Amino acid sequence: DSGVTQTPKHLITATGQRVTLRCSPRSGDLSVYWYQQSLDQGLQFLIQYYNGEERAKGNILERFSAQQFPDLHSELNLSSLELGDSALYFCASSLGPPNTGELFFGEGSRLTVL
Amino acid sequence: SQQGEEDPQALSIQEGENATMNCSYKTSINNLQWYRQNSGRGLVHLILIRSNEREKHSGRLRVTLDTSKKSSSLLITASRAADTASYFCATEVPRGFKTIFGAGTRLFVKA
Repeated sequence: DSGVTQTPKHLITATGQRVTLRCSPRSGDLSVYWYQQSLDQGLQFLIQYYNGEERAKGNILERFSAQQFPDLHSELNLSSLELGDSALYFCASSLGPPNTGELFFGEGSRLTVL
Repeated sequence: SQQGEEDPQALSIQEGENATMNCSYKTSINNLQWYRQNSGRGLVHLILIRSNEREKHSGRLRVTLDTSKKSSSLLITASRAADTASYFCATEVPRGFKTIFGAGTRLFVKA
């Protein structure tokens, strides 16, 4: 158990809909990262937060947004969903400051868009 | 584009054999990390090697880093069926505030 909690574990929705994925980082970790993993692919970096502030952006679509709250949990919002958004979405956390090494991953949220 | 690229994409070996995976990257780094992912599960950190280190060991794992060639290798010795998984290298870039993953190597260890 990494200590990172992601909900929901599975989500099935229709095109055009909006979903919110939630992540609770490991206790004491200030940095939260979001990654997208499509079927049999590597991890695409989406966005990173440190202590409530956005620190880095990757290949995140404009239809996607995220935030980190004062209690350090984070949410990833995906809107106007398309079939291609079906993927595993991982949250990871680290102690911080940013880029201090090991990332601890949650078990992911599997999104299926029909 | 991805920072790290693993080679080979897939590797199938017999139990007891050694498995070697390679990773190449494009820019300077703070450190390079290797992670393991069992099918559909979260990634688990295996080992981190800093840019000023050349080799590191952890149990049956040996990692090397050649910053002049921008490459790293992960050696798993005396492999076991339980080592079957995907292995990813990840690079942390200076002042980039992000850790970038490669596409991974799928390792299959036959019992």
